This record gives sequence, C-alpha cells and structure tokens, in this order.
Amino acid sequence: EPEVTQTPSHQVTQMGQEVILRCVPISNHLYFYWYRQILGQKVEFLVSFYNNEISEKSEIFDDQFSVERPDGSNFTLKIRSTKLEDSAMYFCASSEEGRYTGELFFGEGSRLTVL
Amino acid sequence: QQQVKQSPQSLIVQKGGISIINCAYENTAFDYFPWYQQFPGKGPALLIAIRPDVSEKKEGRFTISFNKSAKQFSLHIMDSQPGDSATYFCAATRFSGGYNKLIFGAGTRLAVHP
Repeated sequence: EPEVTQTPSHQVTQMGQEVILRCVPISNHLYFYWYRQILGQKVEFLVSFYNNEISEKSEIFDDQFSVERPDGSNFTLKIRSTKLEDSAMYFCASSEEGRYTGELFFGEGSRLTVL
Repeated sequence: QQQVKQSPQSLIVQKGGISIINCAYENTAFDYFPWYQQFPGKGPALLIAIRPDVSEKKEGRFTISFNKSAKQFSLHIMDSQPGDSATYFCAATRFSGGYNKLIFGAGTRLAVHP
C-alpha cells in the first residue's frame, strides 16, 4: 500500500539552528501539506502546496518557514532559525488531484525538539 | 469561525460499549467532515467521512451522525474493542480548488478497557 514517508523520525536541534524536514508523498499525488502537532494538542494546518507553489498558508507559517519540492519526489519543510516553540511533531500529507474525497494521507511524522 | 470544537477530551469505555464523540463547527461553508484515527507514534488516518447532504453514514461499527441545523456531528463506535483505543480527531474542510485544508478538533483520547 502506498504511503507517505518522512525523515528524520526525530531531530534534536539547538535554538537558532536551521532544520529541514523531508517527505516523500505518495507518487501520484499532486497536493502536499505540512501540519504540526504540539504534544498533546490538536493537529494544525501549516501550508498546502501545488504545482510548485504555495496554495495556502496559516498564520503559523511565518517567514521562518519555507517549503520546496526540489525534485520529482521529495517535499521539504525548512525552518530557518528554530525557536523553542517550534518543538512539535510535524506531519507531511498528500492528496490526489481533483479527487474530492477529503482524504489526506499522513506520514508518521518527524518529531522536532528544540533545546 | 474556523474552529471545530470537540468533546470529550478523553473517554473510557468498557469493551462492548458504545463510544460517542461530539464535534461542533461554526463555518457554514464547510462541506466535508472527516474523522481521523491516530495511534501513538503514527500519523492520523482517515476513518470515516460525511458530507452535509446526508444525516448519517455507517461503516461497520463506526457511524457518523450529522445535524446540519445545529452544526454538529458525532462519531459513534459500536461494540468498542481494545484495539479501538486511540486518539480520534474530527475535522472539517471546504473543498477549494482541488485541495482540502482540514481544520481539526482538539482530539479525544479513547481507552477501551477489556
């Protein structure tokens, strides 16, 4: 069964450092998303991405964040200068083009710990 | 107006019992309401979903009840099993140009005791 894969599963970084989280979406999907979940809290939308550009972003997704699809398979989230409050589980998700099912397929997440 | 409110925060049910989780929304433009199930260490996975043109949808032991006038929907898990122990998130979205930006509720941690 196709799945969304994310790396790393856990990253520990110092405050102020840059972090790149990587995702490989399901191969025939064309819509990509990043969500985050602070420990014990709800899953929050960060950004959606289609056709090599951002479709929508939340107020959380400020100038410290960027996304990129550097090749035909990877989708990355970069946090330029991490803050303590960026500590969270980051989920990548993908969905099919033009298929109105609402089904987003999520990866297992990358846990980011900022010290 | 973008919020989805979910209750209870946690729920303990005996094996074979009925689990009920409730959600309410404000934005009448929402037109798709999925429920996601999340096991520890895993990403959320779609469990069941409903559109507002129907009042109920059933898949196996899982049923969504939808009340459009009250702007509420709920998940019922019949004959709850220990394997159902997980966190459940309701969500809402307004389909927009091919993608779905899900707005999640706060989640309900369900524990089914044998």
